[in-house]
Amino acid sequence: ETGVTQTPRHLVMGMTNKKSLKCEQHLGHNAMYWYKQSAKKPLELMFVYNFKEQTENNSVPSRFSPECPNSSHLFLHLHTLQPEDSALYLCASSPPGQLYMNTEAFFGQGTRLTVV
Amino acid sequence: DAKTTQPNSMESNEEEPVHLPCNHSTISGTDYIHWYRQLPSQGPEYVIHGLTSNVNNRMASLAIAEDRKSSTLILHRATLRDAAVYYCILRGPGAGSYQLTFGKGTKLSVIP
Repeated sequence: ETGVTQTPRHLVMGMTNKKSLKCEQHLGHNAMYWYKQSAKKPLELMFVYNFKEQTENNSVPSRFSPECPNSSHLFLHLHTLQPEDSALYLCASSPPGQLYMNTEAFFGQGTRLTVV
Repeated sequence: DAKTTQPNSMESNEEEPVHLPCNHSTISGTDYIHWYRQLPSQGPEYVIHGLTSNVNNRMASLAIAEDRKSSTLILHRATLRDAAVYYCILRGPGAGSYQLTFGKGTKLSVIP
């Protein structure tokens, strides 16, 4: 148990569906991240939020829409996905500012997404 | 972020020590060296980190070269539960520096 909780753990959705992934942490962290891990590929950073403001968007298609309503919650809204978007989606959190360099990031267990 | 280079895979016998190397020749003076591991079907897990001095914790030891251009993660007695992909990552100040950038890591296999 890392203190970062992701729901659901597994999700199967059709290409026309709309779904959301949720991430929650009560560690007092203000930086939160979404990563994507496709089969046999390194983790790819998708989005970074720092104090609820998006600071990184690594050229992610608009069918992925993040939302950070407060420092404890992060969502990833999904719509009109493609089968190649099937992957493990991971959320992480860490302290903000210069502290991040000298401390650890905590990852959730991930949501295994399958697009059919 | 400065880049790191790790072997693609390594093998170890159970209950033997394991030394996982990482090269980071372009490391800057303010970059911390972090190690994470990812067990099958799980999210990455923090292992250890350091700046200049060697570090020990309950999971592992981190040996940092004097010139900081390389480091070694040491698992003192490998168990089957240590079979995972191990990532060596540099974290320091600079643009885009909040992110943890993962490479391919080293896949460690532990032989019973």
